[in-house]
Amino acid sequence: DTAVSQTPKYLVTQMGNDKSIKCEQNLGHDTMYWYKQDSKKFLKIMFSYNNKELIINETVPNRFSPKSPDKAHLNLHINSLELGDSAVYFCASSQGGLKSPLHFGNGTRLTVT
Amino acid sequence: QKEVEQDPGPLSVPEGAIVSLNCTYSNSAFQYFMWYRQYSRKGPELLMYTYSSGNKEDGRFTAQVDKSSKYISLFIRDSQPSDSATYLCAMSAEKLTFGTGTRLTIIP
Repeated sequence: DTAVSQTPKYLVTQMGNDKSIKCEQNLGHDTMYWYKQDSKKFLKIMFSYNNKELIINETVPNRFSPKSPDKAHLNLHINSLELGDSAVYFCASSQGGLKSPLHFGNGTRLTVT
Repeated sequence: QKEVEQDPGPLSVPEGAIVSLNCTYSNSAFQYFMWYRQYSRKGPELLMYTYSSGNKEDGRFTAQVDKSSKYISLFIRDSQPSDSATYLCAMSAEKLTFGTGTRLTIIP
């Protein structure tokens, strides 16, 4: 029944490692997003895909690479993890593009040690 | 100056009180206005979605938009302990921009 699901829920890893976060939505939405939420709860958009096409790529280090195999899935791969990457990463989806309300997953809490 | 300003709180009120949460913005192109509620260790969930100036009511929640003042509010009537959460305003022109969130605690 979960509308937007992301795995894993928690991710603890060491600096320099490479990790991936997966996201799937079963709402039939055409647009998917990755957001980063820092310790002060500020939500900042990282990427957005519409029907598998990248439409937003904010100022994010090249170490972050999104991949959308189909419009129901959007994964995030992070290379050479750094301490500053520690945050909660949210996947979200919407129907009708960037102005539409978002449906969020429950987040992946990434801790880099 | 940030595009969207929101008082981070924290805000604590007794159960049953009326809560007022506010955001101001600077971008006059914003057309769509939303409020999200985020419980601890959960994703934000949409509470209210409005397009025009004026009020929109849904149960105990009322969203108010004043485009002339670039000011939006969320009112919670008869507040309950289950309303304790972080409330994020969001607004969009080309894309969605979030406020920093207000942490609200309802004291039983």
